[in-house]
Amino acid sequence: DTGVSQDPRHKITKRGQNVTFRCDPISEHNRLYWYRQTLGQGPEFLTYFQNEAQLEKSRLLSDRFSAERPKGSFSTLEIQRTEQGDSAMYLCASSPGQGAANTEAFFGQGTRLTVV
Amino acid sequence: AQSVTQPDIHITVSEGASLELRCNYSYGATPYLFWYVQSPGQGLQLLLKYFSGDTLVQGIKGFEAEFKRSQSSFNLRKPSVHWSDAAEYFCAVGNQGGKLIFGQGTELSVKP
Repeated sequence: DTGVSQDPRHKITKRGQNVTFRCDPISEHNRLYWYRQTLGQGPEFLTYFQNEAQLEKSRLLSDRFSAERPKGSFSTLEIQRTEQGDSAMYLCASSPGQGAANTEAFFGQGTRLTVV
Repeated sequence: AQSVTQPDIHITVSEGASLELRCNYSYGATPYLFWYVQSPGQGLQLLLKYFSGDTLVQGIKGFEAEFKRSQSSFNLRKPSVHWSDAAEYFCAVGNQGGKLIFGQGTELSVKP
């Protein structure tokens, strides 16, 4: 297993276009998280899944954002009608599950989105 | 409200010198505390974590951190910094649910 994988690594899109990012977590991990990181800031929580169920969404996740994890494996994050303010690094992380010993999150290398 | 504060945005130390990065948190319950490191354009790597027990925790790459409940702090230390330690360091607080709240980060530069 090579860890959490994200695709693409970089995406440049025109304002108003839709984009979709993919995340493949570590295979036995039940929990999958999406974070957004803007320049000079720490990552901000967007949403997370326990298997295929989306359990929490941040208020940062406007109605233009949607995330899915259809079979409890990989996840997609879609942004519709992109705006320049959406330019950021989108990080995916996974963890084994609940409980102190299972809380450690493993991060992918991120998808850098630039909206022009 | 839950929050993490890293007071130092940027720190420069000489190679071989000791390092301490500060982290203060605000959290209602007993927190789970983490330090992550991020190299430019990369994801985050876990350095160490604290859940309970011994308040001095050891991590990878020679790092350690001490949990001080009375000060709501979880400072990261290293006795001798190497040039390869130059990176961005993030302190985070979480719970059993797994969601993490990160600080703003401290950028570490290492002088030869």
